[in-house]
Amino acid sequence: AQSVTQPDIHITVSEGASLELRCNYSYGATPYLFWYVQSPGQGLQLLLKYFSGDTLVQGIKGFEAEFKRSQSSFNLRKPSVHWSDAAEYFCAVGNNNDMRFGAGTRLTVKP
Amino acid sequence: EPEVTQTPSHQVTQMGQEVILRCVPISNHLYFYWYRQILGQKVEFLVSFYNNEISEKSEIFDDQFSVERPDGSNFTLKIRSTKLEDSAMYFCASSEALAKQYFGPGTRLTVL
Repeated sequence: AQSVTQPDIHITVSEGASLELRCNYSYGATPYLFWYVQSPGQGLQLLLKYFSGDTLVQGIKGFEAEFKRSQSSFNLRKPSVHWSDAAEYFCAVGNNNDMRFGAGTRLTVKP
Repeated sequence: EPEVTQTPSHQVTQMGQEVILRCVPISNHLYFYWYRQILGQKVEFLVSFYNNEISEKSEIFDDQFSVERPDGSNFTLKIRSTKLEDSAMYFCASSEALAKQYFGPGTRLTVL
């Protein structure tokens, strides 16, 4: 069965510091992987996705993620966090029929 | 950029009542989805819909739930007899393929 694990429930970083949000997945076939961001009271916005090819994918807002098949991971990174990045981040794995989300990681940005 | 819209933004209902949540997907999209998010918890897949039928549904999507595409533009989620635990944010999404699922802003359902 497919599943997604985000080990960190809450992360706090200082503005300007680097960020890495962890995501591990379990999937029976080649996974399609996604990262979404959700601001309080808002819907979900796609940051980036991985289907195949280059394992380092670039997304919006300066985010990137690296697919590592050997580790079943798809960690999200950003070299320098901005205060506006404070939000909930969800990793997801899926196919055309459904998508499974991780529990989310809440990012707090300190001034 | 095109967007998915959902109405109402907030629905309050009594336990046992039927509710219909409405979504207008992006016009050329072929795949439609419903998700829910209980307050403070993760987003959960409910159902996907393609070619006028359910493609897949999760264990959450029991007989109390149904989906319909009554015309060429709307995609609805019906809960026949609401329970307290149905209180959640319900998100509709649509996509041409899995390339990108566009999510609507959500409908907050409160069951009293």
